[in-house]
Amino acid sequence: DTGVSQDPRHKITKRGQNVTFRCDPISEHNRLYWYRQTLGQGPEFLTYFQNEAQLEKSRLLSDRFSAERPKGSFSTLEIQRTEQGDSAMYLCASSPAQGRSTEAFFGQGTRLTVV
Amino acid sequence: GESVGLHLPTLSVQEGDNSIINCAYSNSASDYFIWYKQESGKGPQFIIDIRSNMDKRQGQRVTVLLNKTVKHLSLQIAATQPGDSAVYFCAENRGNDMRFGAGTRLTVKP
Repeated sequence: DTGVSQDPRHKITKRGQNVTFRCDPISEHNRLYWYRQTLGQGPEFLTYFQNEAQLEKSRLLSDRFSAERPKGSFSTLEIQRTEQGDSAMYLCASSPAQGRSTEAFFGQGTRLTVV
Repeated sequence: GESVGLHLPTLSVQEGDNSIINCAYSNSASDYFIWYKQESGKGPQFIIDIRSNMDKRQGQRVTVLLNKTVKHLSLQIAATQPGDSAVYFCAENRGNDMRFGAGTRLTVKP
């Protein structure tokens, strides 16, 4: 296992189009996170899964955003009717344990550009 | 409000010198902190963590210090190398998610 994998690495889309990103976590990691990062800022929490259950969503996750993790393994993040403000790096992370004190391992991210 | 933030946005050091990156937090209930390194175009990479029952933790060339009295933590990098040039984030683990500061950009001059 080489770590968290995200696809695609880069995505350019026209405003108003829908996009979907995929994240494959480290095997057997039951926690999966999505973050958004804009230039010069730290990652901002979007949502979190424990196995297939989506347990928390940030207010940043508008109704145009939806995330799934249907079998508790890979996850998808879909953005509908993209806006220029959606341009950012979308990061996925996973962690193995259920406790608080566990670091998360990040993927390389998907850079979205909305034109 | 609760926040995790960094004192300085940029830090420039000479190769071979030691680097110190600082971070302040405001949630006194926070009990776990992580330092991440992020190189251009890549995702954050775990460096070292520390739990609130510790004041200091050492790794390979890195040391994290936690001062709960003033809610401050720091990352010390010994003998800084060009490969250490990156943005460094402290993160506060809140159980379901981590909250990141804006980051400090470390530049190592040859």
